[in-house]
Amino acid sequence: GAGVSQSPSNKVTEKGKDVELRCDPISGHTALYWYRQSLGQGLEFLIYFQGNSAPDKSGLPSDRFSAERTGGSVSTLTIQRTQQEDSAVYLCASSSFRDTQYFGPGTRLTVL
Amino acid sequence: AQSVSQHNHHVILSEAASLELGCNYSYGGTVNLFWYVQYPGQHLQLLLKYFSGDPLVKGIKGFEAEFIKSKFSFNLRKPSVQWSDTAEYFCALVSTGGGNKLTFGTGTQLKVEL
Repeated sequence: GAGVSQSPSNKVTEKGKDVELRCDPISGHTALYWYRQSLGQGLEFLIYFQGNSAPDKSGLPSDRFSAERTGGSVSTLTIQRTQQEDSAVYLCASSSFRDTQYFGPGTRLTVL
Repeated sequence: AQSVSQHNHHVILSEAASLELGCNYSYGGTVNLFWYVQYPGQHLQLLLKYFSGDPLVKGIKGFEAEFIKSKFSFNLRKPSVQWSDTAEYFCALVSTGGGNKLTFGTGTQLKVEL
């Protein structure tokens, strides 16, 4: 079946602009996760949605980062007023409740 | 808070050599453990996982890992590597008391030479 998809695959933006990154999880998966992969920090957890529960936002690095999940499916990660240190690959994953996470191809964000 | 340590950052092997990548974790409670692999230009894929039961788990492509609770370790092994195993390998855990978010190690870059 279809895996996790993310768009865009690449995004180049100027410092100070807002960006939106999209994730389509595997159909039927109740949990959705965002991670960030960067050279200096490795793979870091950002935020986690499980069903209708309040999201776990404990990994968001600043209040410029936010995410929403509409209708229990698609999720959008928004970064406001981007900074150069936000440059990274943003990964989305989905899973059944407390089960193995399957990752998408990521969005490579470059902030100039 | 939990953490994962991978001791080898870069490993270079010849084809047919045996592989063992170290992974240790720090957490006092119950954990689920994973190895993910990222081939060049591809996304993260699950190699194998341990949730409970037999501590020796087998994954795809001939990989296996052994959970040793007393050593807080989950080392990855393969008896004979192939050139196509060239990739970055990540050990990760989920603590059963901390939601289902993954904590990753820093990764091991494996290069297999012909």
